[in-house]
Amino acid sequence: DAGITQSPRHKVTETGTPVTLRCHQTENHRYMYWYRQDPGHGLRLIHYSYGVKDTDKGEVSDGYSVSRSKTEDFLLTLESATSSQTSVYFCAISDSRLPLGDEQFFGPGTRLTVL
Amino acid sequence: GDSVTQMEGPVTLSEEACLTINCTYTATGYPSLFWYVQYPGEGLQLLLKATKADDKGSNKGFEATYRKETTSFHLEKGSVQVSDSAVYFCALSFKAAGNKLTFGGGTRVLVKP
Repeated sequence: DAGITQSPRHKVTETGTPVTLRCHQTENHRYMYWYRQDPGHGLRLIHYSYGVKDTDKGEVSDGYSVSRSKTEDFLLTLESATSSQTSVYFCAISDSRLPLGDEQFFGPGTRLTVL
Repeated sequence: GDSVTQMEGPVTLSEEACLTINCTYTATGYPSLFWYVQYPGEGLQLLLKATKADDKGSNKGFEATYRKETTSFHLEKGSVQVSDSAVYFCALSFKAAGNKLTFGGGTRVLVKP
């Protein structure tokens, strides 16, 4: 299994509070991604990173920000959580420099509930 | 933009039945195509993939063929087991675009003994 961990695994918070989710990898992969999973929508890309301090928006980036200060960590922040951000969040990694570089490996997910 | 459409579930089957999950895509160019599987309470795992037209991906008895002419990548298994109960996602990506995945909505499959 790819070395990807997410923390916390479960979180309940209240509307308007800030929340930070952490993704940590031990694979030294170049690319990291944050997706959210909602019924009927599959997974949708929130933000991704193609290197330290290099990030870009995905399909559903409004209300989210990210940071990557070192290769192994990719943080997702909800500045002011809303109920519409209740979801399961998955982190993923890949590295196009590798022989199987088009594959993504996923973390175990974080279930976030915003009351 | 790019998109992936897959059949809605749930799909309920008896053990040893044949499974087909349809997947079609819309994209500019020729993406890599993937099937991911999500078992209850877990993250996604890559099941199989194909990177060019007419490629066949296979794994654990599942197969899918990249059909450029019909822009499809249907998933098939000849004899399912209870352990195949999961949610299956079809997806595409372009290596030159950072491997960002575009997913279909997912198909839940339930196999009964």
